Order: sequence, then C-alpha cells, then structure tokens
Amino acid sequence: SAVISQKPSRDICQRGTSLTIQCQVDSQVTMMFWYRQQPGQSLTLIATANQGSEATYESGFVIDKFPISRPNLTFSTLTVSNMSPEDSSIYLCSVVGGLNEQFFGPGTRLTVL
Amino acid sequence: GENVEQHPSTLSVQEGDSAVIKCTYSDSASNYFPWYKQELGKRPQLIIDIRSNVGEKKDQRIAVTLNKTAKHFSLHITETQPEDSAVYFCAAESGYALNFGKGTSLLVTP
Repeated sequence: SAVISQKPSRDICQRGTSLTIQCQVDSQVTMMFWYRQQPGQSLTLIATANQGSEATYESGFVIDKFPISRPNLTFSTLTVSNMSPEDSSIYLCSVVGGLNEQFFGPGTRLTVL
Repeated sequence: GENVEQHPSTLSVQEGDSAVIKCTYSDSASNYFPWYKQELGKRPQLIIDIRSNVGEKKDQRIAVTLNKTAKHFSLHITETQPEDSAVYFCAAESGYALNFGKGTSLLVTP
C-alpha cells in the first residue's frame, strides 16, 4: 500500500488563526480525501480533493472554512481557517488503492485554544 | 446520504472468547464494506473488507459476513487476545468515499 505522510503531526493554535496541513503520498493516486475525527468520535468526511479542480465538500463543510488544494496526484493540503476551539480534532487524509481499499495518513492532531 | 449504524458501542470479552460487532447501512448502492481498527493515538488500520459479490470473508481469526438483502454486515473475531483491544469502525462506501459507523470500543481482558 502507499506510504502516506502528514505535516504537522500535531499543533496548538490560537483561535482566529489558520493552519495548513499537508498530505504527501509516495505514489500517484487518483482519489484523495480529507476526514475529521473529533475527540472520542468517528471519522467524518470533509471533502474529496480533486486534482486540478475545486474540492467536493460534504454537507456541513464549506470551502471558506476548509480550503483544499490538490496540485498533483501525490500531494494535497487542507487549511483550517479562522479556527475556534470546536475545530480541535484529528485531521486525516486518505487515499484509495488499486482495489478501492482506503488507507489513512497518520493524522494531524489540532488543538485550538 | 448513506447512514451506517454500529452496535455495540462498547464490548468487553475475556481472552479466548469471540467478539461480534454488527453494522447496518441504508444505501442499497453501496458495494464495499471495510473494517478498521484504531488503537489509541494511531491512524485507522484496514483489517478486512468485503464486497457485495460475496457473503463471507475470512482472514485467520477475523471474518466478516454481509447480507445485502437485509443491508447488514458483521465482524467476527475468534480467540480474542489482549492486543485485539482497540476501537473498531465499520464503513460503507459511497462513490469511493466512506461513511463510518460510530465505532465499537473492544476490551479483551486476560
């Protein structure tokens, strides 16, 4: 399976600021997603990161709050904008493998004070 | 959209016993159903999956069954070991993206 890395692994941020999370894959992948996992909760899909076009957002998530870039088939970024304590979560990218299995990055643990 | 229900939310078993976790889904178009294990502080790890063209799949101590008519699927872990303790998530695919159940916290006591 692909090797997926994320930066940063964790961060503590002040409310009102923004943080950009990077996801790097060691091979080209067509499908890439961003998920959020709030403390003690399940995973919720934020958006599909589309290469060369705007991301596709799920209900409850908007581009102004979570802008996403996907400049090529191995890299994507998710920005959490104008953060509030409610944004404290683990943010995970995922990629789809050759048999449609989905693999997750190690996650970025965000704490907003 | 797809809705995935998972039960139980917590499960405690003695080492060597079996554990069963059940999920139901709503979208009849879903064809792919993975199970993930997440240990504390780690990423979800794919442990087994099943596609709609089969009813059961086994991998050593882990098995998954699928009933497409009833829209439910289950994870079975036999001969449980303390290292099986983790949170388990079921999911149903919807256009490649996954909709997850709320998770089952499994505790295996020696």
